[in-house]
Amino acid sequence: RKEVEQDPGPFNVPEGATVAFNCTYSNSASQSFFWYRQDCRKEPKLLMSVYSSGNEDGRFTAQLNRASQYISLLIRDSKLSDSATYLCVVNDYKLSFGAGTTVTVRA
Amino acid sequence: GAVVSQHPSRVICKSGTSVKIECRSLDFQATTMFWYRQFPKQSLMLMATSNEGSKATYEQGVEKDKFLINHASLTLSTLTVTSAHPEDSSFYICSARTSGGFTGELFFGEGSRLTVL
Repeated sequence: RKEVEQDPGPFNVPEGATVAFNCTYSNSASQSFFWYRQDCRKEPKLLMSVYSSGNEDGRFTAQLNRASQYISLLIRDSKLSDSATYLCVVNDYKLSFGAGTTVTVRA
Repeated sequence: GAVVSQHPSRVICKSGTSVKIECRSLDFQATTMFWYRQFPKQSLMLMATSNEGSKATYEQGVEKDKFLINHASLTLSTLTVTSAHPEDSSFYICSARTSGGFTGELFFGEGSRLTVL
């Protein structure tokens, strides 16, 4: 089993829609998690940190389910600019990256 | 916020040559930097952890003699791809933490796209 697994997508959604996707992790002792956004051919940029049960920042909500070992990211009222690949990162003794979930928001 | 600068952003070289990529933390001291490579549509793969003033820690399967890492100061780490071959063509990204331990935010350089002909 991979350390971090994500649904690669792509998730194609219209503007204004809500889109959500999960990331599962294998190490039950993992303590902190991140969602990064990566645009094509660019470096990843931090979107949100998740240390406890969850976090919310504007249209973005991250939730952590320790029992089932997954974190989720929900994007409300999708904008065209939300189109990107979203990387799940699990923070153990090293950072483990998921392969990313591609989201495409269409007009 | 903290900024990590990586140079060059794009490099094309002939097979057999060596290429050096620099990673600088511009407004903070980074005792630890990380080097990743990313193939198209794949996740970032950690290559090595670069520690200032000591030898880098390489991940399993990464050839330390091929990917030379030097972290001579608190603001600069370099990755040298020696005797590059076409299979080394990839996107190389560095990152640095703003604080020790595992809670500091991780900032990434802009990445360096290496193409070996």
